[in-house]
Amino acid sequence: DGGITQSPKYLFRKEGQNVTLSCEQNLNHDAMYWYRQDPGQGLRLIYYSQIVNDFQKGDIAEGYSVSREKKESFPLTVTSAQKNPTAFYLCASSVLSGNTIYFGEGSWLTVV
Amino acid sequence: GQNIDQPTEMTATEGAIVQINCTYQTSGFNGLFWYQQHAGEAPTFLSYNVLDGLEEKGRFSSFLSRSKGYSYLLLKELQMKDSASYLCAVRDRRGLTGGGNKLTFGTGTQLKVEL
Repeated sequence: DGGITQSPKYLFRKEGQNVTLSCEQNLNHDAMYWYRQDPGQGLRLIYYSQIVNDFQKGDIAEGYSVSREKKESFPLTVTSAQKNPTAFYLCASSVLSGNTIYFGEGSWLTVV
Repeated sequence: GQNIDQPTEMTATEGAIVQINCTYQTSGFNGLFWYQQHAGEAPTFLSYNVLDGLEEKGRFSSFLSRSKGYSYLLLKELQMKDSASYLCAVRDRRGLTGGGNKLTFGTGTQLKVEL
């Protein structure tokens, strides 16, 4: 089945650690996105990429990093510089000229 | 920048009709989206408007007025499973020379459907 796969579903991070969230899509979409959602809040854009080897900062990029070495993959690293990383992280993708963003199932990150 | 406002919560009765409003202020407007999100799950696409008017899709309809910066989502024949958060999002194509969907989301309206 085509879709977006995020892993892990649940992740616990210790203070000072970097963690990487995986996002893979087999929809042949050029554009990919990472959003963060805090309880009772809307989604906020962290990073997005329109093409392989290129990406742009969204509204809350500080403390995060991404790479886009393959069209199918857009991993997000939450670095130790992100002081409040506990949140629900959503990866998404779309065609460049389309009107629909498709979301993965999300990853819950908790700092312990 | 962009500013999107939605009511925080709404309650409605099963079988009834409910209208969820969304107002926005943005430059570079290029479409408005509505998503449904159940707790702990990914958002699912409901509707898209780029021109003024009403778009109908089964029990769900969405309206847009670009001059007023206003949209609403209309849900008819409410069912218990419609209890969810409804997210309004605006697309801004400024700076996206190759296309894509850079969306800014509102905080969502939590709808509770009661018997």
